[in-house]
Formats: sequence, structure tokens, C-alpha cells
Amino acid sequence: QKEVEQNSGPLSVPEGAIASLNCTYSDRGSQSFFWYRQYSGKSPELIMSIYSNGDKEDGRFTAQLNKASQYVSLLIRDSQPSDSATYLCAVGASGGSYIPTFGRGTSLIVHP
Amino acid sequence: DTGVSQDPRHKITKRGQNVTFRCDPISEHNRLYWYRQTLGQGPEFLTYFQNEAQLEKSRLLSDRFSAERPKGSFSTLEIQRTEQGDSAMYLCASSSRGETTEAFFGQGTRLTVV
Repeated sequence: QKEVEQNSGPLSVPEGAIASLNCTYSDRGSQSFFWYRQYSGKSPELIMSIYSNGDKEDGRFTAQLNKASQYVSLLIRDSQPSDSATYLCAVGASGGSYIPTFGRGTSLIVHP
Repeated sequence: DTGVSQDPRHKITKRGQNVTFRCDPISEHNRLYWYRQTLGQGPEFLTYFQNEAQLEKSRLLSDRFSAERPKGSFSTLEIQRTEQGDSAMYLCASSSRGETTEAFFGQGTRLTVV
């Protein structure tokens, strides 16, 4: 059973701070990793993908991947109240299907 | 470039009725996924198509659920004899071939079984 683990939170940070979201996974052969943002009542929106060890930056978002530790993280710099949402970690299956398995998500609250 | 489209957006049905949902993926995407999401949980995988072939189906999926993707274009998900426990958001996602397997979601269909 492939598993993706996230702390459900909520994670509460002040406006302007760095929010750090973490995820661990069980499928050692996975090669693709994603972060989605989901606002209440809406569908998930892809915000970051990462395939290689290290950091990948896109605007205020940085994804970090450590395959040896089976660990993925997302940093949000200069957090804004509009970043308040649930952040879902997804891991693509090994073996060629690439089916994304999702964690339960971490709720982020950015307070003014 | 239109995104993934799902229809209907909302469905209220009585227990025991059959319902069918439709998903139109991004046009060049050959992979299509169905997920179910309940409150406080992440999307739970239901089934996966590559072109018209249904290649994987969750072992948790009841026999009351069936999905098709004729001609490798749109897909339908049917739930027969609905139960209250089927109430959830049903999400469709699609992705292209190749190693960059980013999946993009439709707006979802919210099902309420009363």
C-alpha cells in the first residue's frame, strides 16, 4: 500500500512569514512529486512539481526533495492571507502508471 | 487551451438511484484519472485510463462503480444503487504521456445522496 503522510495541521503563520509544509512517502521507486493547493469547496490546483533531488523555486514557492529520506517539502515565502488553503502532497507511482497518490493535506492559515 | 471539464457540478439523488458523471480531459492528454474526496481527506484514487484502456482500478472500489472512456476521449463514471456513503466530491484529472506526469483537475462533481 503506497502511502503519503502529511500533518493535517492547521499550520498558522503570520502574514509575511515563511510557511513550511512537509510530506513523507513510502514508495521508494517514485520519481514524480507534486504540490497542490485546494481552497475550501474547490478542486485541487497544481502549484509545483519536482522530479530531482534538491530545491526548485517558482516565485514565492520552493519545493524540496530528498529521495533518500523519502521526504518532500514546500516553502511559501512572504505568506499572504490568500495563501490560506489546504496543501496536498502527491506522489507519482513507480512502475509506469505514474498514478498520483495524495496525502490528506495540511491546512494553512495565514493571519494578518 | 481549455482545462478539464466535469458535468454536472452538483448532483443530489435519492438513495438507490443510479447516477452518471462526465469528464472531458484536456484534449492532448491520454491519461485520465477519477478520484473521490470526502471532507478532511485527500483525493482517493478510483480508476485510471490510458487512452481508452482502463488500466487500473482501486481494490476499494465497489462493484456498483463503473467507468468508461470510449475512443479515448471523454470518460463517464457511473454509480449504481447509490448509498449515503457515496456522498463525496468526485474529481477527474488528466495528464499527458511521458515522464512529466503533471495531473490537472476538473472542477469536480459534488454528489449528495439523500
